Amino acid sequence: EPEVTQTPSHQVTQMGQEVILRCVPISNHLYFYWYRQILGQKVEFLVSFYNNEISEKSEIFDDQFSVERPDGSNFTLKIRSTKLEDSAMYFCASRRLDQETQYFGPGTRLLVL
Amino acid sequence: AQSVTQPDIHITVSEGASLELRCNYSYGATPYLFWYVQSPGQGLQLLLKYFSGDTLVQGIKGFEAEFKRSQSSFNLRKPSVHWSDAAEYFCAVGPRTNAGKSTFGDGTTLTVKP
Repeated sequence: EPEVTQTPSHQVTQMGQEVILRCVPISNHLYFYWYRQILGQKVEFLVSFYNNEISEKSEIFDDQFSVERPDGSNFTLKIRSTKLEDSAMYFCASRRLDQETQYFGPGTRLLVL
Repeated sequence: AQSVTQPDIHITVSEGASLELRCNYSYGATPYLFWYVQSPGQGLQLLLKYFSGDTLVQGIKGFEAEFKRSQSSFNLRKPSVHWSDAAEYFCAVGPRTNAGKSTFGDGTTLTVKP
């Protein structure tokens, strides 16, 4: 069964550094999402992406964040200048145009020191 | 705005006992409803979903959930819990819009006693 994949599984970075989290959505899916989960807290929506543009974003998704679909398979989340509070698990998700079920990747655990 | 409440932060049940995890939602219309399970350090696995039709939905691993419109609830149940069910469980709602983002509850941590 096809799955959403994410790389890296873990990343440690210094405060102020840029990070790029990568996701490969399921191949026939057209909606893409990023969520984050701070340790011990709920999963929070960051952004949705469709047709090469942002469909919706939350108040968390400020100017430090950006998303991109650089080619036909990858979907990336960039954090330009990481802060300590960006430490979290970041989940990518994707879904088909004609279905409502989102399929989540295994997550990238980001630790900002 | 849509919201999800999971009233129980932590539940402990004995292996073999029945389980019910509560979920209440707030949304202007009937949303899409989901239950996910997350084992420690792992991603989110979809247990079941409700979109329309029969209000009792069956999922994987022997779980089921019942949608009750009058109570704005979507409670998750399992008749006999196994030790491997110990995990965190999240209820989520998604609007019937194209963007279809999900809003998650705070989660319920399930501990299973031997």
